[in-house]
Amino acid sequence: GENVEQHPSTLSVQEGDSAVIKCTYSDSASNYFPWYKQELGKRPQLIIDIRSNVGEKKDQRIAVTLNKTAKHFSLHITETQPEDSAVYFCAASRAHSTSGTYKYIFGTGTRLKVLA
Amino acid sequence: EAGVTQSPTHLIKTRGQQATLRCSPISGHTSVYWYQQALGLGLQFLLWYDEGEERNRGNFPPRFSGRQFPNYSSELNVNALELEDSALYLCASSRWGPELFFGEGSRLTVL
Repeated sequence: GENVEQHPSTLSVQEGDSAVIKCTYSDSASNYFPWYKQELGKRPQLIIDIRSNVGEKKDQRIAVTLNKTAKHFSLHITETQPEDSAVYFCAASRAHSTSGTYKYIFGTGTRLKVLA
Repeated sequence: EAGVTQSPTHLIKTRGQQATLRCSPISGHTSVYWYQQALGLGLQFLLWYDEGEERNRGNFPPRFSGRQFPNYSSELNVNALELEDSALYLCASSRWGPELFFGEGSRLTVL
């Protein structure tokens, strides 16, 4: 069945270092790839996304890359700060055939700890 | 604009009982998704409703069911509760666009 693999499950980095989280998806029809951040006790919130017609997207310290041929995409956080500590989820998504709404498959999450 | 709201925030039940969780999507959103998040684990997809219809269902037993009302709010019912049903249940909504907006969740504890 359709699935998204996400690695690593936990990641500890020193403040100021970079963090990279990788995801691989199986559904070749997926065309939208969001990343959500969930701080402790809070709701997941979208931090960046990328569509299949784009290979890379940046937003300040955060970037996402997509390799459609290999069916994998990655989240890159540079100059990490303690407030980046959270659980990060990737997802692979595609539009439903008739409704225009989207079907999502989430990765299993990565717990990022930024050590001060 | 109000976000996705879920109720109750916390719910404590005993094994064998039934639980009902509710979700109100953002105004204008027609699609509602339910996810189960057990402690330390990822987002497990439960159900997806759009325009009142069930679009997709995750790999959960039939005692997990739900519905979407004409005003697009949704209800998740869990029958014959088991200890392993203890989790945070998250609802998310969307409309004609890919971004999902999550609620704060309902934490269900089964004793």
